[in-house]
Amino acid sequence: QVQLVQSGAEVKRPGASVKVSCKASGYTFTDFYIQWVRQAPGQGLEWMGIINPYDGSRRYAQEVQDRVTMTTDTSTTTVSLELRSLRSDDTAVYYCATIAVAGPHFDYWGQGTLVTVSS
Amino acid sequence: DIQMTQSPASLAASVGDRVTITCQASQDIDNSLKWYQQKPGKAPRLLISDASNLETGDPSRFSGSGSGTDFTFTISSLQPEDIATYYCQQYDNVPYTFGQGTKLEIK
Repeated sequence: QVQLVQSGAEVKRPGASVKVSCKASGYTFTDFYIQWVRQAPGQGLEWMGIINPYDGSRRYAQEVQDRVTMTTDTSTTTVSLELRSLRSDDTAVYYCATIAVAGPHFDYWGQGTLVTVSS
Repeated sequence: DIQMTQSPASLAASVGDRVTITCQASQDIDNSLKWYQQKPGKAPRLLISDASNLETGDPSRFSGSGSGTDFTFTISSLQPEDIATYYCQQYDNVPYTFGQGTKLEIK
């Protein structure tokens, strides 16, 4: 079955960096894009960006584009999100999710990773 | 960027009621709209894609309609297990923006 398994919770100081991983299984990794979505406590969903595991091409949301890097490793079928210069308002649950940009939809989500930024 | 305006922000209804949530896009997105259900502590779950296509296995009381800029999500007869927050998301253009969400509660 399709699974996206994310890395565990993180606690970081302001100004630090965090890397969240998302390991995919149960489907052909390069067939579907991965989007990253975050949700601050008690708030709505915020789209952060998207990466194509086939060729590594990506697009980021303007709000984070100067601080975020998304990468893909086809050998381990893992996509990663790195966020730098962390601020308190980066405290959120971070989700990875598959998305089909063409053809039938393929929508699976990871379990979420809580990143807490606190001094 | 395409802005998605979702309303209402919250809604209290009784079991058996018909519930309607709307989502308006700031520009034409054709039918490139998804509706998600999210329960506390869980990841969002896709209910409807392409504005009106219900996911296989989901109850037929859920439906979606609309095209262009105006979209509607309806629960024809609210059930206790439908209590959740619902989000729309457009996927016509990057960034794939979400609506602000609608928290649905039982009256």
